[in-house]
Amino acid sequence: SQQGEEDPQALSIQEGENATMNCSYKTSINNLQWYRQNSGRGLVHLILIRSNEREKHSGRLRVTLDTSKKSSSLLITASRAADTASYFCATDAGNQFYFGTGTSLTVIP
Amino acid sequence: GAVVSQHPSWVICKSGTSVKIECRSLDFQATTMFWYRQFPKQSLMLMATSNEGSKATYEQGVEKDKFLINHASLTLSTLTVTSAHPEDSSFYICSGVGRARSGANVLTFGAGSRLTVL
Repeated sequence: SQQGEEDPQALSIQEGENATMNCSYKTSINNLQWYRQNSGRGLVHLILIRSNEREKHSGRLRVTLDTSKKSSSLLITASRAADTASYFCATDAGNQFYFGTGTSLTVIP
Repeated sequence: GAVVSQHPSWVICKSGTSVKIECRSLDFQATTMFWYRQFPKQSLMLMATSNEGSKATYEQGVEKDKFLINHASLTLSTLTVTSAHPEDSSFYICSGVGRARSGANVLTFGAGSRLTVL
């Protein structure tokens, strides 16, 4: 299976803390993307990092990519209760998107 | 921004009936549409990739006669679950491939369709 893996599977933190989730994948990629899914809803694109980039920021989001280790991390700083959702990484290996197993984040107010 | 409209959002049907799920890309042309299935608390599993005007490509283990995909236009793709059974109950999500400002492909998802087969 080309599906990646994410850890932790579940993460519970207090509001204001930072949340870090990791993603590992198996094949060469063009880029890696992070998506967010609220319960019972579709996914929303958060941020994209190209294979030749190592770090990218967008608001409270920081993404890193290590192609040698085939891994990426998503950091959400100063978390809010509204950040509670599932987060998935997706690898684009040439118009084929494969999703990681997801991290369920709960931010406690 | 790009939007994919997916309908219905929730459908309950009797075992043995067929259910059609539609995905329409609004404000962009989705030459490629992906269909995913998601079980509770699990990740998305790619079922098939459909390209406008051609037959869909199914992932291993997905029955093409069970899950009929039609992508007849650049803005509409449909998934029909034929002769649905309780084990087909799941959350089905479509996504169209659009372009980010960077030029990279990004996915725009429909809101998903929850299928419950009694």
